Amino acid sequence: QKEVEQDPGPLSVPEGAIVSLNCTYSNSAFQYFMWYRQYSRKGPELLMYTYSSGNKEDGRFTAQVDKSSKYISLFIRDSQPSDSATYLCAMRYPNDYKLSFGAGTTVTVRA
Amino acid sequence: NAGVTQTPKFQVLKTGQSMTLQCAQDMNHEYMSWYRQDPGMGLRLIHYSVGAGITDQGEVPNGYNVSRSTTEDFPLRLLSAAPSQTSVYFCASRPPAGGPWASYEQYFGPGTRLTVT
Repeated sequence: QKEVEQDPGPLSVPEGAIVSLNCTYSNSAFQYFMWYRQYSRKGPELLMYTYSSGNKEDGRFTAQVDKSSKYISLFIRDSQPSDSATYLCAMRYPNDYKLSFGAGTTVTVRA
Repeated sequence: NAGVTQTPKFQVLKTGQSMTLQCAQDMNHEYMSWYRQDPGMGLRLIHYSVGAGITDQGEVPNGYNVSRSTTEDFPLRLLSAAPSQTSVYFCASRPPAGGPWASYEQYFGPGTRLTVT
């Protein structure tokens, strides 16, 4: 079993829809959680990070962490064609810089 | 700042050849790392370094060597290329604690696409 599980999709939604992305993890020692966005043939860029259970909002993006269920989510509101990308969840232990990644979910937002 | 830079962008090797993938950052980041990305497998850590002169293995280190003689550079060497090393390679770096950064998580370079035939 992988440490971090993420449905690879692909996911195709119409413009304006809410995109919901999820990851589950097996090791409760993971405490710090990130979402990276990766456009085609580019490097991953940090989209959001959160270190506690609950919701964190940044514009159209909301990151949600449920440590009791070992489950994290990313929601994209009012999705735009420019949101079309692969979204990777990542997580790490406290005081350890190494990241464990999910496989990534490819999202296409149709105009 | 140029951020994290990687060269070359693309490379084709024959089995058994050796080469070095270059990675540099101009942000004075102490922590640097190398990942490979394969379809359906996300990014997997190859090697990492917490500062000049200090390196350690990640999840998939076999067939790769690293060294860190300066804070800025962290080259990845393939000793004898194999088709299983066909992948996209990303270098990343992380700011030290206590600086003016918005985030202390890793920043990635643009990647090197390697094909081994």
